[in-house]
Amino acid sequence: SYVLTQPLSVSVAPGQTANITCGGDNIGSKTVHWHQQKPGQAPVVVIYYDTDRPSGIPERFSGSNFENTATLTISRVEAGDEADYYCQLWDTTTDHPGIIFGGGTKLTVL
Amino acid sequence: EVQLLESGGGLVQPGGSLRLSCSASGFTFSNYAMNWVRQAPGKGLEWVSAIGNTGTVTYFSDSVKGRFTISRDNSNNTLYLQMHSLGAGDTAVYYCAKAVGPIAVASSFDSWGQGTLVTVSS
Repeated sequence: SYVLTQPLSVSVAPGQTANITCGGDNIGSKTVHWHQQKPGQAPVVVIYYDTDRPSGIPERFSGSNFENTATLTISRVEAGDEADYYCQLWDTTTDHPGIIFGGGTKLTVL
Repeated sequence: EVQLLESGGGLVQPGGSLRLSCSASGFTFSNYAMNWVRQAPGKGLEWVSAIGNTGTVTYFSDSVKGRFTISRDNSNNTLYLQMHSLGAGDTAVYYCAKAVGPIAVASSFDSWGQGTLVTVSS
């Protein structure tokens, strides 16, 4: 089945830019969504359809998806951005379509 | 405002059954596909099942296929997950999540519930 690969952790200083990657075979041909989960809370969608931001999500959050890597970029990182981030897509290449999540990346704000 | 409220979690013995519910409000429930996603303690997110807006089309992960069923009652704005033959590997917080459209496949989520904990243990 399709596999999404994320780094276990990313660390960045406040005010800097965090890039969280999600690798997959020809992932650029698929549609990727990103979810943020703060400790003890339910996930929240921060980017859907590769690049779109749901209402209420700051413009500091952006997404891209090209060839074998999708990327969530958080500009001007704040302490409140510290969370686990998961990429997600629908795998429709098999007889049984299903949702695949990446393993998650823990963003630490130094 | 979209609200999703899961219930029905609890402690169940191995081999037992449990039915989870997700009560929806703040949107026209019958217009949207819905999903169940779970998270084992200290682990990542794992998709469980999806259902289209009319309830006629459903999808399951390989790990629950044949043991879980998903259904919905559009007249009562409620999503269900019936779970059978539960094992320790099913211990998790179960979240319901609303899709952005009526068709489950290729739809993103746009809202998550707060989750309900299922513990499978003797």
